[in-house]
Amino acid sequence: QITLKESGPTLVKPTQTLTLTCTFSGFSLSTSGVGVGWIRQPPGKALEWLALIYWDDDKRYSPSLKSRLTITKDTSKNQVVLTMTNMDPVDTATYYCAHEAAAGDAFDIWGQGTMVTVSS
Amino acid sequence: SYVLTQPPSVSVAPGKTARITCGGNNIGSKSVHWYQQKPGQAPVLVIYYDSDRPSGIPERFSGSNSGNTATLTISRVEAGDEADYYCQVWDSSSDHPVVFGGGTKLTVL
Repeated sequence: QITLKESGPTLVKPTQTLTLTCTFSGFSLSTSGVGVGWIRQPPGKALEWLALIYWDDDKRYSPSLKSRLTITKDTSKNQVVLTMTNMDPVDTATYYCAHEAAAGDAFDIWGQGTMVTVSS
Repeated sequence: SYVLTQPPSVSVAPGKTARITCGGNNIGSKSVHWYQQKPGQAPVLVIYYDSDRPSGIPERFSGSNSGNTATLTISRVEAGDEADYYCQVWDSSSDHPVVFGGGTKLTVL
């Protein structure tokens, strides 16, 4: 059974760097094809894809946020970490991580999400 | 980057059929995934690769994709189907490979 869970601060100040951790079980990020993605959702708004990392360390970023995002993996800890620099109130959102069995596949299992508020 | 267009809202009476569209340029050449999201919950995959259903998703949920429109069809709609629905594609030719539609609020009358 695949599960994912996001963790990180609930409140960050403008200009700070956000670090979110996705801890997963039921699969390995060393298995060929597997990926973990980050998706966010501002309150009352649509889903927005942020980043993906694959088993072979291939990384993809949303072009509009690429300069602010870094995604890394720790296969031994079953974790994926997303950092977002220079946080702004418009970055207030629920942040989700999700499992992708292979590039182009659907995000078949999602974490519960973690709400991050950006405010001074 | 690739753009997916969904109607903001669709309303349907219980027992009837709901159709939620997802428009995109030649979307029929891409694979479309659909997610259901109820208030306060994470999205749940309901259709993948245009028309396949994950285990546990009722047969009432089906999908199709042709030309410039993909469609999620929910037959015999129930009150519990009321939710937001999002389509998503993988655009392999783009530097923005994962694209979500703007979402459709399904209201069961």
